[in-house]
Amino acid sequence: GENVEQHPSTLSVQEGDSAVIKCTYSDSASNYFPWYKQELGKGPQLIIDIRSNVGEKKDQRIAVTLNKTAKHFSLHITETQPEDSAVYFCAPHGGGSYIPTFGRGTSLIVHP
Amino acid sequence: AAGVIQSPRHLIKEKRETATLKCYPIPRHDTVYWYQQGPGQDPQFLISFYEKMQSDKGSIPDRFSAQQFSDYHSELNMSSLELGDSALYFCASSLGTYQETQYFGPGTRLLVL
Repeated sequence: GENVEQHPSTLSVQEGDSAVIKCTYSDSASNYFPWYKQELGKGPQLIIDIRSNVGEKKDQRIAVTLNKTAKHFSLHITETQPEDSAVYFCAPHGGGSYIPTFGRGTSLIVHP
Repeated sequence: AAGVIQSPRHLIKEKRETATLKCYPIPRHDTVYWYQQGPGQDPQFLISFYEKMQSDKGSIPDRFSAQQFSDYHSELNMSSLELGDSALYFCASSLGTYQETQYFGPGTRLLVL
């Protein structure tokens, strides 16, 4: 099965700083790479995703970059705000599978 | 936009009791997934259904069963509950399966005493 590692496990930044979270996966056939944001007591919410034929995707302050050769993809958040504080999960879909394997999560804390 | 609906949102049960969790997918979505998330853990896939047929199975205990009905809603039935079953249970839905985005519901928090 897919092995997923997510780093860092905790990230503390000042408001306005940038945050980067990296996800490494093992299945070279993986082809769909979403990032989810989970606030306390709520379900994971998709914030951005990328498919294997694209190297980068941006949506306002959020971007995802994919390096298929190195088998990792990263979430970039610029101009962080306190409401960005949450747990972020990467969840790549392995090749031939529509079941995501979740990373262990990154707790992002944005200090005002 | 309509989201995934789960009921109940909170549930308290005693050991060895049974529980039924319900999930109503986004309209037109034909695929439902169930996940279990323990405190401080990542979601663990339990089972999924596509067009009312079981499509994949993860780490679902034999004490649990699930089904998807003709209106695409799904129910997770949990019997002989154990303390370790206390967790958040999420349902997600998608339109189709391959490479399709899953949209998660708000979850059901189950506490087994």
